[in-house]
Amino acid sequence: SQQGEEDPQALSIQEGENATMNCSYKTSINNLQWYRQNSGRGLVHLILIRSNEREKHSGRLRVTLDTSKKSSSLLITASRAADTASYFCATDAETSYDKVIFGPGTSLSVIP
Amino acid sequence: NAGVTQTPKFQVLKTGQSMTLQCAQDMNHNSMYWYRQDPGMGLRLIYYSASEGTTDKGEVPNGYNVSRLNKREFSLRLESAAPSQTSVYFCASTPGQAFSGNTIYFGEGSWLTVV
Repeated sequence: SQQGEEDPQALSIQEGENATMNCSYKTSINNLQWYRQNSGRGLVHLILIRSNEREKHSGRLRVTLDTSKKSSSLLITASRAADTASYFCATDAETSYDKVIFGPGTSLSVIP
Repeated sequence: NAGVTQTPKFQVLKTGQSMTLQCAQDMNHNSMYWYRQDPGMGLRLIYYSASEGTTDKGEVPNGYNVSRLNKREFSLRLESAAPSQTSVYFCASTPGQAFSGNTIYFGEGSWLTVV
């Protein structure tokens, strides 16, 4: 089974609203990253949070990490139509150096 | 700065045909990767190369071979394509040691259909 699972699978909001998506994982991790993928394009790195961090900000993005619950959330504030994309969390497991596991993603639609 | 460049962008193959996906990065990264992306499955690692001259299997290596030609280039070969290999393929690279929290830089993807 996959290490990272995003929730919800799909999210549709109005422009200006906040979007929250969650990522749950199964084993202890070193780092958790969030990536964005526009339709038909490659993934682009958004933010990394390390296992000893609880919250990070980058512009309109806020990421939290709760290692006790093995979960992370990505909040996009004041969403824009250009934020329409798929968002993926990626974890590198504490006990494995040979791979980063990507979840299946959350598809976000921001309606103008 | 081109980043990670992969070719071709689109390809249709017949079952049993072979082909090679090419990838090059101009960021002087040590580590390179090939992923496939299927609906509802996220990205799955096919092979990776932690440094020039080394390659290792990822999660789904069966039916694929790779070559780390030099520090810049990492190719993925399908020797005998099967419909199950219909997917979107992404090449990626990271600075320094494979993974370890490094940002992964992705190419734009190659859409492969096997009929």
